[in-house]
Amino acid sequence: ETGVTQSPTHLIKTRGQQVTLRCSSQSGHNTVSWYQQALGQGPQFIFQYYREEENGRGNFPPRFSGLQFPNYSSELNVNALELDDSALYLCASSPGGGASYNEQFFGPGTRLTVL
Amino acid sequence: AQSVTQLDSQVPVFEEAPVELRCNYSSSVSVYLFWYVQYPNQGLQLLLKYLSGSTLVKGINGFEAEFNKSQTSFHLRKPSVHISDTAEYFCAVSAPSGNTGKLIFGQGTTLQVKP
Repeated sequence: ETGVTQSPTHLIKTRGQQVTLRCSSQSGHNTVSWYQQALGQGPQFIFQYYREEENGRGNFPPRFSGLQFPNYSSELNVNALELDDSALYLCASSPGGGASYNEQFFGPGTRLTVL
Repeated sequence: AQSVTQLDSQVPVFEEAPVELRCNYSSSVSVYLFWYVQYPNQGLQLLLKYLSGSTLVKGINGFEAEFNKSQTSFHLRKPSVHISDTAEYFCAVSAPSGNTGKLIFGQGTTLQVKP
């Protein structure tokens, strides 16, 4: 059974650029959530996708957007990058449409640095 | 809205000593409670979770936690730690109502196990 994978591992961008991060969910999982983890902080919920639709969103501006594909993989897109967007971006997959009691399985993350 | 406070940012402890990592939460509704561990340069791994029932929850790697509703706490304990337990530990909550299952994390506690 393959776990959650994310690509790329590391990424360096400059302010104002756009970035796309990718996530493959664990086999059998239909829900993907994205989290931002700034250095020294706990992860913060960005949004969740279920059946290719956004299924909940945290307190992040519209320049953070996402997609989910029929195979349940997902992308996180960030436009107009700001220095504060530098963080570890974590993807988590879960079964059952994102029900609260289900365990979320996390990928290793993508480290984004904005210069 | 829910919030999580981890009362210690760093906990140094000697190998084979017991340890307790403290977590308090705030919520106007019942919540599910989780403890995750993050090893360097890795994603988060679930240690244990409390959904309902017995307030003492046993998890992986010899960890356990006790849910105390009156004190709104969910402290993590291990009777004897190993060097390999050195990592960042996160307490998290999610609300049973709704279907996003978003996790709200504390700031994290760094457990440093010394030989």
